[in-house]
Amino acid sequence: DADVTQTPRNRITKTGKRIMLECSQTKGHDRMYWYRQDPGLGLRLIYYSFDVKDINKGEISDGYSVSRQAQAKFSLSLESAIPNQTALYFCATSDTLAGSYTFGSGTRLTVV
Amino acid sequence: GIQVEQSPPDLILQEGANSTLRCNFSDSVNNLQWFHQNPWGQLINLFYIPSGTKQNGRLSATTVATERYSLLYISSSQTTDSGVYFCAVGTGGGSNYKLTFGKGTLLTVNP
Repeated sequence: DADVTQTPRNRITKTGKRIMLECSQTKGHDRMYWYRQDPGLGLRLIYYSFDVKDINKGEISDGYSVSRQAQAKFSLSLESAIPNQTALYFCATSDTLAGSYTFGSGTRLTVV
Repeated sequence: GIQVEQSPPDLILQEGANSTLRCNFSDSVNNLQWFHQNPWGQLINLFYIPSGTKQNGRLSATTVATERYSLLYISSSQTTDSGVYFCAVGTGGGSNYKLTFGKGTLLTVNP
């Protein structure tokens, strides 16, 4: 099994719908992150969590919310999806502040 | 915020050739990581290298933190090396810690 698992792998949804992307990890890391990738823009941080009670906004958090249900689970929600949220979304974990990151396989989201 | 610039943006090689990818950053960093994104979108951590040199098979990386750059060397390239290579730098501390990615180098290795 993968260390960081994202579901679903692909999703097409309609404008205005609420959608949740889920992430679970078996690495035992405290720190979890959500990134989005757009062509030519690299990866940008949406939200991050340093432990179950700690949630922080990243550089592009507008239109998104997160929930850290347990050390191993971190979900990302789009409350009302819009087409410019079409992107590849990645969940990641790290073990210490400056530790190496492990990424999930990504969720390709299309909002029509 | 910190700027991370990667060069070249695109690179096409014949199988067996060597290459050097560069990452420049505009300020002091806590750490630097290199990632490979394969054609299926999967991101793999290649190196965690805040300073010095590391090698892993045909790949090696060197970071000169005082001069604010890192280099990724790929020797005897193979078609499976194709994909996008990202450099990412970590800055700040505590809840201000942030990993900032460059825009990547798209590598295509032809048979």
